[in-house]
Amino acid sequence: GAGVSQSPSNKVTEKGKDVELRCDPISGHTALYWYRQRLGQGLEFLIYFQGNSAPDKSGLPSDRFSAERTGESVSTLTIQRTQQEDSAVYLCASSLGGTGSETQYFGPGTRLLVL
Amino acid sequence: DQQVKQNSPSLSVQEGRISILNCDYTNSMFDYFLWYKKYPAEGPTFLISISSIKDKNEDGRFTVFLNKSAKHLSLHIVPSQPGDSAVYFCAASAGGSRLTFGEGTQLTVNP
Repeated sequence: GAGVSQSPSNKVTEKGKDVELRCDPISGHTALYWYRQRLGQGLEFLIYFQGNSAPDKSGLPSDRFSAERTGESVSTLTIQRTQQEDSAVYLCASSLGGTGSETQYFGPGTRLLVL
Repeated sequence: DQQVKQNSPSLSVQEGRISILNCDYTNSMFDYFLWYKKYPAEGPTFLISISSIKDKNEDGRFTVFLNKSAKHLSLHIVPSQPGDSAVYFCAASAGGSRLTFGEGTQLTVNP
């Protein structure tokens, strides 16, 4: 079956513009996660969705960042008024039920460059 | 506050030899640990995991060791193959679902 897909694969934008990144999780996976990887660093947790529960937004770095998920399918991560420090690879992952001992399956990421 | 640290940014080994990648953590609430492998321009792929109730888990050429008293885990790959060349991330969770990742170690296996 299909894995996690993300679009676009690359995005170049100008400082101050808004961007929207999309994630399609594996079908049937109720948990969805967004992470960010800056150059030379590890993955940084941003937000987590589990079913109909309120999302865990504790990793969002500022109020310019927001994310939505439609049911148990597609999620979009929106960054408003982008800054150069937002340049990173944004990775989406999904897992079956969202428990701590589950494997998270990652998409290929969206490479965002803010000029 | 870096709760998961991989102190070696790179490691180079000869094909056929053992690769040992190390990871240290500070949060004693972590109860599940994972290793992911990442090739360029791809997302991380799950490799192997270990629960805090165990001290060793083996899967083929890959073995993960957990030393809870030292808050240290390691990944052993033996024998190493050129296709193992990738960035390896250590990750941990504390009873929930969010993973905390280390910075990664670039492994290069030379033919």
